[in-house]
Amino acid sequence: DGGITQSPKYLFRKEGQNVTLSCEQNLNHDAMYWYRQDPGQGLRLIYYSQIVNDFQKGDIAEGYSVSREKKESFPLTVTSAQKNPTAFYLCASSIGPQSMNTGELFFGEGSRLTVL
Amino acid sequence: DQQVKQNSPSLSVQEGRISILNCDYTNSMFDYFLWYKKYPAEGPTFLISISSIKDKNEDGRFTVFLNKSAKHLSLHIVPSQPGDSAVYFCAARDTGTASKLTFGTGTRLQVTL
Repeated sequence: DGGITQSPKYLFRKEGQNVTLSCEQNLNHDAMYWYRQDPGQGLRLIYYSQIVNDFQKGDIAEGYSVSREKKESFPLTVTSAQKNPTAFYLCASSIGPQSMNTGELFFGEGSRLTVL
Repeated sequence: DQQVKQNSPSLSVQEGRISILNCDYTNSMFDYFLWYKKYPAEGPTFLISISSIKDKNEDGRFTVFLNKSAKHLSLHIVPSQPGDSAVYFCAARDTGTASKLTFGTGTRLQVTL
């Protein structure tokens, strides 16, 4: 079945450590996104990529990094510079630049990161 | 600066009655509005959308209404079912930055028996 796979589902990290969250899609979508969800704050965009080898900062990119070496994969690294990394992280994809479609995003199941 | 606002954090409705979830926005450049449904520890799933050139879109039990002059949209669920209990997010797409959605803070709907 086509979809978006995020791993791991749960992750614990000590302060000062970098951690990478995986996101893989087999929907043949061009665009991929990382959102963060915190209680009472909805979903906030961290980074997005419209095409391989290109990505842009979202609204809260500080302390995060991404890469897009393959169309199917868009890993997110939470660095030690991220001051409050404990959150629920959601990866999403869409057919292409949203100017060409209605903006519908397909989401993965999410990864919950807890910093101890 | 919250461009998409859902002012009701929670809503409780009896099974069979109508659920009305509201969303307000401030950016006049939004051209598409979407509603997503989210269960705990899962990713959101797309529910219904509406273009800014329309004022109503219906899909089964779900109807979205858009009032552009008031910068307000609402999602109606009729009749409400226990399986509708979830968090609902309103989202909007900006024609100027067409590659991303801006989400509201969500409304938790509980449908009681």
